[in-house]
Amino acid sequence: QSVLTQPPSVSAAPGQKVTISCSGSSSNIGNNYVSWYQQLPGTAPKLLIYDNNKRPSGIPDRFSGSKSGTSATLGITGLQTGDEADYYCGTRDSSLSAWVFGGGTKLTVL
Amino acid sequence: QVQLVESGGGVGQPGRSLRLSCAASGFIFSNYAMHWVRQAPGKGLECVTVISYDGKNEYYADSVKGRFTISRDNSKNTLYLQMNSLRAEDTAVYYCARDRGYNYYMDVWGKGTTVTVSS
Repeated sequence: QSVLTQPPSVSAAPGQKVTISCSGSSSNIGNNYVSWYQQLPGTAPKLLIYDNNKRPSGIPDRFSGSKSGTSATLGITGLQTGDEADYYCGTRDSSLSAWVFGGGTKLTVL
Repeated sequence: QVQLVESGGGVGQPGRSLRLSCAASGFIFSNYAMHWVRQAPGKGLECVTVISYDGKNEYYADSVKGRFTISRDNSKNTLYLQMNSLRAEDTAVYYCARDRGYNYYMDVWGKGTTVTVSS
């Protein structure tokens, strides 16, 4: 059972938009920055979003992040088949003094 | 270029030990905290341990506390994970990752090394 809750799966058609939620509490998302990671099949995770809504260089602006209260959201527009991957949210948990990940969401581009 | 390369994975027997290494290059290793993150087959990511840039602070997940030890040699730009008393549930791909602070976010990841615990 992960400290951060994500939907197990989401799906959408190519060209469409999808959002992935990440729900936590005041000890984690509510008082810390959220980051998002993309894991393409058979590869290592890759940083997608940090500080709730910032993109590292090289990440297209089709990917966006937001945070409100104890929840965060990853948005992907103009879906491509190459976006099929597992997506994880992560943040610090102040009560645990530890890093925590969400359980991950599998994105299928139909 | 900035790079992390893990090594040391393989098959370990239950109750035995393995030592993983993570060689860093392309950046000032001694400036960054480092994590070991694992992923069991078909499962999600789990941060098992993190060490501060100077090695003075460490954190361990309950699942490995007392069995695993993280360390670093800043003169060799290398991170280590000593895994003792291995259990079947330690079977996973182990990634090392660079942290931009301490439990801030992980911006560089290695490709991982696979550990299989089996008799």
